[in-house]
Amino acid sequence: GAVVSQHPSWVICKSGTSVKIECRSLDFQATTMFWYRQFPKQSLMLMATSNEGSKATYEQGVEKDKFLINHASLTLSTLTVTSAHPEDSSFYICSAQGQGSDTGELFFGEGSRLTVL
Amino acid sequence: LAKTTQPISMDSYEGQEVNITCSHNNIATNDYITWYQQFPSQGPRFIIQGYKTKVTNEVASLFIPADRKSSTLSLPRVSLSDTAVYYCLVGGYSGNTPLVFGKGTRLSVIA
Repeated sequence: GAVVSQHPSWVICKSGTSVKIECRSLDFQATTMFWYRQFPKQSLMLMATSNEGSKATYEQGVEKDKFLINHASLTLSTLTVTSAHPEDSSFYICSAQGQGSDTGELFFGEGSRLTVL
Repeated sequence: LAKTTQPISMDSYEGQEVNITCSHNNIATNDYITWYQQFPSQGPRFIIQGYKTKVTNEVASLFIPADRKSSTLSLPRVSLSDTAVYYCLVGGYSGNTPLVFGKGTRLSVIA
């Protein structure tokens, strides 16, 4: 099946620094990628929709200047958490939908756990 | 986007069949129903998808009644490794329609 890979799988950073998380579709082209955040014992919360070659669409309450999303190619989307703070510590998950998909199956990455000290 | 409602948690013994029902009363005509499984600290994994009636694959069956306002995921003979959170999602996926996750059902399989 299709594979989506995230990197890094876990990262620890100091408060005030920026962290970049990569999401790659390894064997298919993804025109659309989605970024989710998940806190312990909670469900996935959609943060933004990333479209190749255009600006991301952010969900209400998600700061676009804090969570920078770039989808520069059909196989790569990046999420940069800028000026990270401890409350940004979370599990970040990306997912991708293949080109021409009409049944909507999403392929999810392994997730990236961010810990901000 | 259709909202889904599932039981928060379920317990089962090993070897039993587990049925998890999801309600989606406002499902749209072009919406598919998809179930995902998530283990701790991992991304969700696709289990099964259907539009109507019954779908079966090597790991599960999905039962969808004629009105499509609910669906039931059936896991035959569960094992300890099936302990996970199961999410039911509905959506019609053309363009860039995102999937919105509900709270999911936390299944605990007991030896």
